[in-house]
Amino acid sequence: KQEVTQIPAALSVPEGENLVLNCSFTDSAIYNLQWFRQDPGKGLTSLLLIQSSQREQTSGRLNASLDKSSGRSTLYIAASQPGDSATYLCAVRRDNFNKFYFGSGTKLNVKP
Amino acid sequence: ETGVTQSPTHLIKTRGQQVTLRCSSQSGHNTVSWYQQALGQGPQFIFQYYREEENGRGNFPPRFSGLQFPNYSSELNVNALELDDSALYLCASSLMDTEAFFGQGTRLTVV
Repeated sequence: KQEVTQIPAALSVPEGENLVLNCSFTDSAIYNLQWFRQDPGKGLTSLLLIQSSQREQTSGRLNASLDKSSGRSTLYIAASQPGDSATYLCAVRRDNFNKFYFGSGTKLNVKP
Repeated sequence: ETGVTQSPTHLIKTRGQQVTLRCSSQSGHNTVSWYQQALGQGPQFIFQYYREEENGRGNFPPRFSGLQFPNYSSELNVNALELDDSALYLCASSLMDTEAFFGQGTRLTVV
């Protein structure tokens, strides 16, 4: 069974810092991996999707990398801002349908 | 704005009652799935529908059931509600292996 772990569970940083969020998964036979952002009590906003054949994806200040063989992905956030404060979830998909295995998330607080 | 709409936003039910949650998928998406998210946890997969057929189910009892309609909108039904069913319920839609989009969720409280 696929298990997804995210470290750290919580992170508090001053504004402007570059930071890295980590995601690990136990079964490397994944189809793709998606990073999401979740604001308190809200739904999930898709940030980046990485297909299993890709090594990284970039969107603005966000960069996500994927190392399938080691079962790891990282989300890099450059020049963090208070508006980045949210919970970040990574999810892996085993096949081309919608079943995701989620981690418990990293709760990020960016202090002004 | 993802184009995935869920209703209602919040709901309070009594233990033992039945509830129906609704999801309107993004236009053209033929795959919809439902997730349960307890406080402080990641979402847990309930089941998914592809072209009106259930084609995958997580570790949830049969009192959790669903439907997908020809326009690809979907319902999640939960019978005999228990206190532990209190959670945020999320639906997600996609086209096969493309990026999945989630709705804003329905917060269900069982008292």
